[in-house]
Amino acid sequence: DVKVTQSSRYLVKRTGEKVFLECVQDMDHENMFWYRQDPGLGLRLIYFSYDVKMKEKGDIPEGYSVSREKKERFSLILESASTNQTSMYLCASSFIGNLNTEAFFGQGTRLTVV
Amino acid sequence: DQQVKQNSPSLSVQEGRISILNCDYTNSMFDYFLWYKKYPAEGPTFLISISSIKDKNEDGRFTVFLNKSAKHLSLHIVPSQPGDSAVYFCATHSGNTPLVFGKGTRLSVIA
Repeated sequence: DVKVTQSSRYLVKRTGEKVFLECVQDMDHENMFWYRQDPGLGLRLIYFSYDVKMKEKGDIPEGYSVSREKKERFSLILESASTNQTSMYLCASSFIGNLNTEAFFGQGTRLTVV
Repeated sequence: DQQVKQNSPSLSVQEGRISILNCDYTNSMFDYFLWYKKYPAEGPTFLISISSIKDKNEDGRFTVFLNKSAKHLSLHIVPSQPGDSAVYFCATHSGNTPLVFGKGTRLSVIA
């Protein structure tokens, strides 16, 4: 079974803190993604990566950065957390290429910024 | 601009009846379409998909229909069960691009 594991299910952080969300996948997938889910807004893409050391901005990258030092690990960094970054964060991974393939999601991290 | 639209935020269906969830997309380059199911406080799980070369794909109680000319797809669940109550997301992409998601439809199946 494909497994995408996010380091925390729930996090509470203070405004201005630097926050790290970690994601690890065990299927040797090339692609990794970070989305956030908010009520009424669906899943919005923050950043994605096609390979180690590579990163691409998604639709809402402002206030975030990412790191991919190893193929299996993709980290999302909130440089200075703000209350509007309170959300459910979802990591996903998939195979690369033009194959029709689904993305597999982690269990999500519910982040609250106070 | 929304590339994937799920115009019904919620849907209630009686147990045993058919649930029909709809999705419209704008980009004719999209060639692979997926449905995900999401329970509260969990990540989305893949449910069923369809390639643009097909117009129907079935998996047990779940069937996805694709109408390329109308840029419309639908998910049919028959018969609906209380455990199907969840948020359903339509998603699509082309080639090796990230999935683009709709805003979701909350399905409630009433016993």
